[in-house]
Amino acid sequence: GIQVEQSPPDLILQEGANSTLRCNFSDSVNNLQWFHQNPWGQLINLFYIPSGTKQNGRLSATTVATERYSLLYISSSQTTDSGVYFCAGTHAGGTSYGKLTFGQGTILTVHP
Amino acid sequence: GAGVSQTPSNKVTEKGKYVELRCDPISGHTALYWYRQSLGQGPEFLIYFQGTGAADDSGLPNDRFFAVRPEGSVSTLKIQRTERGDSAVYLCASSFRQGAEAFFGQGTRLTVV
Repeated sequence: GIQVEQSPPDLILQEGANSTLRCNFSDSVNNLQWFHQNPWGQLINLFYIPSGTKQNGRLSATTVATERYSLLYISSSQTTDSGVYFCAGTHAGGTSYGKLTFGQGTILTVHP
Repeated sequence: GAGVSQTPSNKVTEKGKYVELRCDPISGHTALYWYRQSLGQGPEFLIYFQGTGAADDSGLPNDRFFAVRPEGSVSTLKIQRTERGDSAVYLCASSFRQGAEAFFGQGTRLTVV
């Protein structure tokens, strides 16, 4: 299997600040996804981004597949951005094409 | 349906009892996944189905855990002789095909007392 390392583990911001979350993989991955887990535990899809760059409003993500990492950018943060952010991917060299392996998450707290 | 639906939302059971957790995937999604999330951890893979068959069950912790998807739609995760260590949030997800973007349900919080 693969190992997924997320950094930083915790992040505290003032409203309006920008931030970058990082996800490193121990091996090549396919089907990389970023999620936001809200206070009620629901995993919300942010990006499906096996490679390249995508943007959605104040959020954007970049995956550099050849270097086995992905970045999530949050600009002009709001208190509603608080929660846990997870990245996950499937092992490109494996035989389980659907098995997502998750990182431990980044806990983001945005203060007003 | 519009999203992945899991029932019940919460389940409290006594140690040693049998429980069933249900997952209703997004209509048309052929792949269905079960994960378990403990407090402060990321979701951990249990099993996934492509159609009716289990494509990978390597994450099931032991033989007390079993899952079925008899008609390729709804799935049931079954836990026998529950233990306190089974307490966690059980998450279900589905995708159009295996490896495509996965969408998660709201989870079932299982508490074994």
